[in-house]
Amino acid sequence: QVQIVESGGGVVQPGRSLRLSCAASGFTISTHGMHWVRQAPGKGLEWVAGLWADGINKNYGNSVKGRFTISRDTSKNTVSLQMNSLRAEDTAVYYCARDLGFWELQFDDWGQGTLVTVSS
Amino acid sequence: QSALTQPPSASGSPGQSVTISCTGTSSDVGTYNSVSWYQQHPGKAPKLLISEVNKRPSGVPDRFSGSKSGNTASLTVSGLRAEDEADYYCSSYGGSNNLLFGGGTKLTVL
Repeated sequence: QVQIVESGGGVVQPGRSLRLSCAASGFTISTHGMHWVRQAPGKGLEWVAGLWADGINKNYGNSVKGRFTISRDTSKNTVSLQMNSLRAEDTAVYYCARDLGFWELQFDDWGQGTLVTVSS
Repeated sequence: QSALTQPPSASGSPGQSVTISCTGTSSDVGTYNSVSWYQQHPGKAPKLLISEVNKRPSGVPDRFSGSKSGNTASLTVSGLRAEDEADYYCSSYGGSNNLLFGGGTKLTVL
């Protein structure tokens, strides 16, 4: 059974960094693309970053390019999101999601999300 | 690139059918079949309802169906039930390895 669990959220000051983790079980992350999608309070979904199943190609949404980095550890079956230079507008619930395949940009399993609050 | 356009709200009575639209451009919805629909209940994670315009994952009732015409994709919910009350989001590949989401539609079952 597929399970995705995010962790690492919390309150952080503007300009600081935070690292989110996503632990996957029931499948191998090297066979699926993996993504981060966020949702600001009361707002819609926004794709943040994605890692192709090959583990090499990575893509980012325009609002986080140059500040966020997605990576994975296949030995632990985990995906991470390193978030630097955080801004108030990065405040959101961050979901880790599994791609339907190698890089379909369609997500068939999601974690429960972890809340990141950027505030002084 | 701009987000896809969805109506902010939709409603219907139990047993009725409701269709939610998702309008993009010829650079996204109009060109690619990587159009998905997600259902999200309050405080919960999104759930995949439809992928590749009209494919239902196993476990999704056939009351949910998807289609596309030109730059507009649609989700139809037939035989509305109380548990269908939720937010619905569309997404589409936007080219250049980028993904676009719609702003979401709140479906109310009257």
